[in-house]
Amino acid sequence: DVKVTQSSRYLVKRTGEKVFLECVQDMDHENMFWYRQDPGLGLRLIYFSYDVKMKEKGDIPEGYSVSREKKERFSLILESASTNQTSMYLCASSLSLTGNTIYFGEGSWLTVV
Amino acid sequence: GENVEQHPSTLSVQEGDSAVIKCTYSDSASNYFPWYKQELGKGPQLIIDIRSNVGEKKDQRIAVTLNKTAKHFSLHITETQPEDSAVYFCAASMDSSASKIIFGSGTRLSIRP
Repeated sequence: DVKVTQSSRYLVKRTGEKVFLECVQDMDHENMFWYRQDPGLGLRLIYFSYDVKMKEKGDIPEGYSVSREKKERFSLILESASTNQTSMYLCASSLSLTGNTIYFGEGSWLTVV
Repeated sequence: GENVEQHPSTLSVQEGDSAVIKCTYSDSASNYFPWYKQELGKGPQLIIDIRSNVGEKKDQRIAVTLNKTAKHFSLHITETQPEDSAVYFCAASMDSSASKIIFGSGTRLSIRP
């Protein structure tokens, strides 16, 4: 079974703090994704990566950056957290960009106060 | 770009009855339509998908139908059981591209005992 692991399930951070969300997948997938999930808005893509050190902006990249130094690990970074970034963050991976299932992690609940 | 609308946002059905969730998409070039189920406290998981060269697909109690002309697709769950209670997301993309999948806003399905 594919395993996508998000290291932090629940975080509370202060406005202006730098926040790191870590994600690891164990199936040697090429692609990794960060989504944001908000009630009534579905899943919105923040960034994705199709290879080590490669990244592409998704639909809502503002206020976020990402890092992929190793194939299995994809990090989401909030340089200066703001209250409107309070949300559920989902990491995902897929074998390739076409024709393959996206596998999601369990999610990280971030509250910015 | 692609836009996916999903209805209803909440649905409550009696155990044993059927549930139907409907989605519409805007881009006629979309040709891959997955459905995800998200149980409480977990990440979304693919339950069924359909490609545009097929009008209907079944897997035990779940089925998906696609009307390309009308740009509608629907999820049908028959003989509903308590474990069907979850949030369901439809999605649409072109060329089965995982990076370009657009999700609907989700339907919270509750099964009444």
